[in-house]
Order: sequence, then structure tokens, then C-alpha cells
Amino acid sequence: NAGVTQTPKFQVLKTGQSMTLQCAQDMNHEYMSWYRQDPGMGLRLIHYSVGAGITDQGEVPNGYNVSRSTTEDFPLRLLSAAPSQTSVYFCASSRKWGETQYFGPGTRLLVL
Amino acid sequence: DQQVKQNSPSLSVQEGRISILNCDYTNSMFDYFLWYKKYPAEGPTFLISISSIKDKNEDGRFTVFLNKSAKHLSLHIVPSQPGDSAVYFCAASDPGGGADGLTFGKGTHLIIQP
Repeated sequence: NAGVTQTPKFQVLKTGQSMTLQCAQDMNHEYMSWYRQDPGMGLRLIHYSVGAGITDQGEVPNGYNVSRSTTEDFPLRLLSAAPSQTSVYFCASSRKWGETQYFGPGTRLLVL
Repeated sequence: DQQVKQNSPSLSVQEGRISILNCDYTNSMFDYFLWYKKYPAEGPTFLISISSIKDKNEDGRFTVFLNKSAKHLSLHIVPSQPGDSAVYFCAASDPGGGADGLTFGKGTHLIIQP
């Protein structure tokens, strides 16, 4: 049981490039979410999903897309990277929304 | 408008003493509260939680207290150990307000001094 896994651990992008941050969980959790952590800002919700085929926007969704084709996977896509997207990204899952969320190890992204 | 506030960015405590981390919230619909611990370069790990029907929950050295009338919760760690040095996030959930997950505070960096 690996829990929540994220790849890559670290990525450098140039402004305008696109990329996908991968997230997978093996706990059969319905709820998955993406957060970004910036200095002095805590954790802010980007997008979330309450189940396969259902996604919705969080607090800071601009510049990001998500999809949930399976229960296990919840990739986060950066369409055209900007320096303001330099951050640490965490994926999390929980059995149902409103319950305790379990986090992955994070992806550190640097956009030049 | 911050709904979950941790007003102390950092806290320094001597090893063996009690650490008290505080958290205030403004949304009266929050009914489930959690504390997460985060080491550098790792994801947050769940520490302890409390439902609004309780005012105290204990797990080993960690106790969370909830004062609903004051919209305040605190995490007590006793005795504090060097491995407790980390950033602690308070989080809250309003299951009736939509599925947009947890609302986090900005965190408190706890430093345990030998």
C-alpha cells in the first residue's frame, strides 16, 4: 500500500511550456485534491474531485486543468507555465470529502 | 478573508516542556478540525483531529482542544521532543458547505530546543 504518490519530485520549466503533474492513490479513495504551498500562504486548493468523472475548481484554479478518468489517478496539467506557478504542489486523497485527507510527498516546480 | 488563522508563524519551546499551538476560525459551519505536521521536503502528515461534538481528543503526547464558543482550537504536545520540530497546519472542514476540501491555516513553525 503506497498511499498517495506523486511524480516528478522536481521539475524546471520555461515560461510557456506545458506539463502534467501525476498523482495516484491506491486506497480506493473517492476524494482527491490538488494544493499548492507558497511561503507565508499555507496550502491553497487548486482543483478537487469527488469521484471518477467529476472535478471542480478550488480557490486558485486559473492556469490549471484536471481530469479524473479513474478512481486512482488525478493528474494536474499546467497549460502554459508562468513564473507565478513556481510552487510546491501537493496531491491529497480521502475516503470521502470532508474526511481526513492524506497527502503525497509533493512536486517542487520552478518556472523560469 | 482568512477563515482559519494561525497567528504565530513560529514558536520555540524547550525539549521536555509543553508546546501549545493555537488556531482560530471564523466560519461557524466548520465541524471537523485537523492538525497536520510537515517536515521540509515532505508532504503534510495527519496528526490528530476533533469533531465539533467533542471538546477534547487525545492521542499519546498530542491533545487537541476545541472551544466552539470562542471558535478556537489548540494542539498541546507534552513532553516536546526534538522530532516534533516541524511546521504544523491547522485545517477545518465544512461538509455541508460543498466538497471543496479542507481550509488550512498558514502554519506555525515549531522549534524544539535542546
